[in-house]
Amino acid sequence: KQEVTQIPAALSVPEGENLVLNCSFTDSAIYNLQWFRQDPGKGLTSLLLIQSSQREQTSGRLNASLDKSSGRSTLYIAASQPGDSATYLCAVNSGYSTLTFGKGTMLLVSP
Amino acid sequence: KAGVTQTPRYLIKTRGQQVTLSCSPISGHRSVSWYQQTPGQGLQFLFEYFSETQRNKGNFPGRFSGRQFSNSRSEMNVSTLELGDSALYLCASSQRRTSGSNEQFFGPGTRLTVL
Repeated sequence: KQEVTQIPAALSVPEGENLVLNCSFTDSAIYNLQWFRQDPGKGLTSLLLIQSSQREQTSGRLNASLDKSSGRSTLYIAASQPGDSATYLCAVNSGYSTLTFGKGTMLLVSP
Repeated sequence: KAGVTQTPRYLIKTRGQQVTLSCSPISGHRSVSWYQQTPGQGLQFLFEYFSETQRNKGNFPGRFSGRQFSNSRSEMNVSTLELGDSALYLCASSQRRTSGSNEQFFGPGTRLTVL
């Protein structure tokens, strides 16, 4: 059974800092891994999708990496802003449309 | 292109009642998956529908059921509501590609409160 762990559970940083969020999974037989952002009480916004054959993906200030063999992914956020404050969720797709989620990292970026 | 829509956005029910939630996927997406999100358990997979057939099911009791229509819209039903069913219910749509490019897109969710 796939299990996904995210560290840290919460993170507070001042504006402008670069930061790294970590995600680990137990079964390396995955199709892809997605990083999502969730604002309080809202749905999930897809940030990046990394296919199992890829090592990293970039979108603006975000960069996600994937090391399938070791079961790890990281989300790097450059030059953080208060608007980045949200919960970040990592989800692993082990078959078609079934995602297994981590518990998330709650990020607070203070001005 | 319109995103995933869910109705209603908020629901308040009492124990023992039943409830139906609706999800309209992105145009062209034929797969709809449902997830339950609670503070204690996080996001958990309920089931997936594709071409009007349930393809996968998570570890939830039979009180949770769903269906999909020919236009890919999906409904989820919870019968005999319990207090523990209070949660944010999210649906996701995708094209259900067999490759790793199968990206999931989520709706805003339905907040269900059971009193």
